[in-house]
Amino acid sequence: DAGVTQSPTHLIKTRGQQVTLRCSPKSGHDTVSWYQQALGQGPQFIFQYYEEEERQRGNFPDRFSGHQFPNYSSELNVNALLLGDSALYLCASSLLRPGGDSPLHFGNGTRLTVT
Amino acid sequence: GQNIDQPTEMTATEGAIVQINCTYQTSGFNGLFWYQQHAGEAPTFLSYNVLDGLEEKGRFSSFLSRSKGYSYLLLKELQMKDSASYLCAVGGNAGNMLTFGGGTRLMVKP
Repeated sequence: DAGVTQSPTHLIKTRGQQVTLRCSPKSGHDTVSWYQQALGQGPQFIFQYYEEEERQRGNFPDRFSGHQFPNYSSELNVNALLLGDSALYLCASSLLRPGGDSPLHFGNGTRLTVT
Repeated sequence: GQNIDQPTEMTATEGAIVQINCTYQTSGFNGLFWYQQHAGEAPTFLSYNVLDGLEEKGRFSSFLSRSKGYSYLLLKELQMKDSASYLCAVGGNAGNMLTFGGGTRLMVKP
């Protein structure tokens, strides 16, 4: 049973460029969330996708956008990259259920470096 | 808003017991999670508390007091492989949307 997979594992971009990160959720999961983790910090919530729509969004600018496909996989796009966007981007999948939370299963992340 | 506090670093000796505390102030609460994250790796789920009390799972236990906005993770019989960051996270009302603390980096020494 494959867990959450992310690609690429590492990426180097220049300021002003655009980047797309990809995520395939754990089998059976229907919800994908994206987190940004700066070095030595906890993950910060970017947004969550369910049924191909953005369900919740954290405090991130519109330069961060995403998409969820019918097979539940997801993409994170970041436009006009800034040096401060350098971080580990984590994708987490889960099964949405009413009345409570279920554990997030994380991928190994994409390490983005902006120069 | 959400505010979650945990110590930045802790050091303990192999074979000992360590308690990692987490306090939170949140606008909504739907449970508290603990995750372990080794350097360069993904966070992995350790425990979930939604009701007050202690949840025990092998060498790891987690405690929650909702009235005090307080949780702790207890690690017994520490092993070198337990050296990692431990993340406290609170679920709000939105469903599977977690707010994480900054993490506690635990170093286990021989």
